[in-house]
Amino acid sequence: EADIYQTPRYLVIGTGKKITLECSQTMGHDKMYWYQQDPGMELHLIHYSYGVNSTEKGDLSSESTVSRIRTEHFPLTLESARPSHTSQYLCASSEWTGLTGELFFGEGSRLTVL
Amino acid sequence: EDQVTQSPEALRLQEGESSSLNCSYTVSGLRGLFWYRQDPGKGPEFLFTLYSAGEEKEKERLKATLTKKESFLHITAPKPEDSATYLCAVQAGRSSNYKLTFGKGTLLTVNP
Repeated sequence: EADIYQTPRYLVIGTGKKITLECSQTMGHDKMYWYQQDPGMELHLIHYSYGVNSTEKGDLSSESTVSRIRTEHFPLTLESARPSHTSQYLCASSEWTGLTGELFFGEGSRLTVL
Repeated sequence: EDQVTQSPEALRLQEGESSSLNCSYTVSGLRGLFWYRQDPGKGPEFLFTLYSAGEEKEKERLKATLTKKESFLHITAPKPEDSATYLCAVQAGRSSNYKLTFGKGTLLTVNP
């Protein structure tokens, strides 16, 4: 069973605030990802990491930043939130294999920026 | 550019009424096609991986099949607990390991 946790599950904040979405996994997976999902729309990759101190931007441009200081932890930060950042953010991880379509997802963090 | 189109967008079935969901894809060199299930307010849950045309995978009431242009998720005698959004994703052979292209999903509702 997958063990990947996201906090907070729901967050409502005002414009201009700094927020950090936490993601932790206990499976020892090297690869971790952040996806963004809007209602009725596709998942879009915004950040990924192949391991400690490795982070890359995904397909969808995002003003958020990520860090990977420990294998199990992959937080996402928005320095100054705006209403356009309102979305569902999903964290995922996978084993280090050639085919990385088998992802384990967290339950998501739903962000609302007023 | 890789593309994934799922149809229908929404499907409502009666309990026990079998049907199929479609995932059409355009990709340069398919490495794998993946099906996920997503419950409301939750993250997607991995169901199947299909690698080549003709391959089939089964899990309880679900069976996934793959051709060179599309994949079907067949649901046999569905139950209300099968209600969810089903997502299809592809990974292209020419792309780096991280990239999956997802479809928008099919929202399945099974009424008792």
